[in-house]
Amino acid sequence: AQSVTQLDSQVPVFEEAPVELRCNYSSSVSVYLFWYVQYPNQGLQLLLKYLSGSTLVKGINGFEAEFNKSQTSFHLRKPSVHISDTAEYFCAVSDLHDYKLSFGAGTTVTVRA
Amino acid sequence: DAGVTQSPTHLIKTRGQQVTLRCSPKSGHDTVSWYQQALGQGPQFIFQYYEEEERQRGNFPDRFSGHQFPNYSSELNVNALLLGDSALYLCASSLSSADTQYFGPGTRLTVL
Repeated sequence: AQSVTQLDSQVPVFEEAPVELRCNYSSSVSVYLFWYVQYPNQGLQLLLKYLSGSTLVKGINGFEAEFNKSQTSFHLRKPSVHISDTAEYFCAVSDLHDYKLSFGAGTTVTVRA
Repeated sequence: DAGVTQSPTHLIKTRGQQVTLRCSPKSGHDTVSWYQQALGQGPQFIFQYYEEEERQRGNFPDRFSGHQFPNYSSELNVNALLLGDSALYLCASSLSSADTQYFGPGTRLTVL
């Protein structure tokens, strides 16, 4: 079984500053990794995913994440945030032979002017 | 191209009642998964349907059941509602079992 730990429950950040959201996972097998964003009162939108290949993954809205197998991490970064990036961010994992996504508890990002 | 749609948007029920939530997958997708998201938490996997059969189930009681129709749309049924069933219920669709899941806007269920 897999599990996901998002190390920061809340991240306040000023507009145009960089942000990093930390995600660690545990699994005994190879995994797929995902980051989703949830805006208030909405469903989940896929930001990016790692399935295989290059460990640096680029997603929508200027986000990127790096898969580190030795540290079992998949941290999300953005070099310059906007007010509109204020949202809840979820890291998720699934293994190659499983069907479900296992989610972390989420990180609330609040961008201030 | 329509994404994943869910109905209704909001629902209020009382304890002991039964509820049915509906989901239409993204065009071309054949697999539907359901998740429960309690307030302030990450989504929890309920079950997944493929070829009209439940393929995998999470740690939820038998009060939670589902169905997938030939057109790949799906229903989630919850019987004997408890206060703790109040949550956002998310439907996700994918082209195949291990592919990326795309989520709908969710149904907010409130049990009084």
